[in-house]
Amino acid sequence: DTGVSQDPRHKITKRGQNVTFRCDPISEHNRLYWYRQTLGQGPEFLTYFQNEAQLEKSRLLSDRFSAERPKGSFSTLEIQRTEQGDSAMYLCASSQVVGMGATGELFFGEGSRLTVL
Amino acid sequence: KQEVTQIPAALSVPEGENLVLNCSFTDSAIYNLQWFRQDPGKGLTSLLLIQSSQREQTSGRLNASLDKSSGRSTLYIAASQPGDSATYLCAVDSRGAGSYQLTFGKGTKLSVIP
Repeated sequence: DTGVSQDPRHKITKRGQNVTFRCDPISEHNRLYWYRQTLGQGPEFLTYFQNEAQLEKSRLLSDRFSAERPKGSFSTLEIQRTEQGDSAMYLCASSQVVGMGATGELFFGEGSRLTVL
Repeated sequence: KQEVTQIPAALSVPEGENLVLNCSFTDSAIYNLQWFRQDPGKGLTSLLLIQSSQREQTSGRLNASLDKSSGRSTLYIAASQPGDSATYLCAVDSRGAGSYQLTFGKGTKLSVIP
């Protein structure tokens, strides 16, 4: 399987706990994105990496959220001290773009669904 | 700030019918527009990407058009099948300074009745 993979697919946690999601992008893609989607809404941008550099963060990404992409390969998204409002689908996407400008065609993973009790 | 609207929010059609999904956006300064399909509880599958310089793109029974000046795109599905039932999302890649994010609509939930 050469698509974008995400793990875990589902996570149920209690409020106040920390959770971490992993994303493995398509191997030749240099850009990696995290989006969040709640029920009935379109995905909302969280953050973006060009290789290992985190170049953009949304205001949605509070200080409880941190994302990394060591060595420009897989990425992790950690949420500390989870709140019920964090319950959502966390989507990872990747693209391959040469130079600056457009985001390119995005390929999404199956998502990680978080439920905070 | 770019805003993307999709109308209708839900659509139900009998199998075999041709249908059109609509997407409108407020800022015409875009790089491209992308249509996705999302099945319940799943991620997004890319269907078509139209560059700002293009008028339309076709893939199988799908045809997407783009009228950048009026801020509109349509996704035409020919001879609909029950397997086409899903939520269809459009997303716009805007030429915002230093921004590399897509702006999504809320989607149109399509049900194709056998």
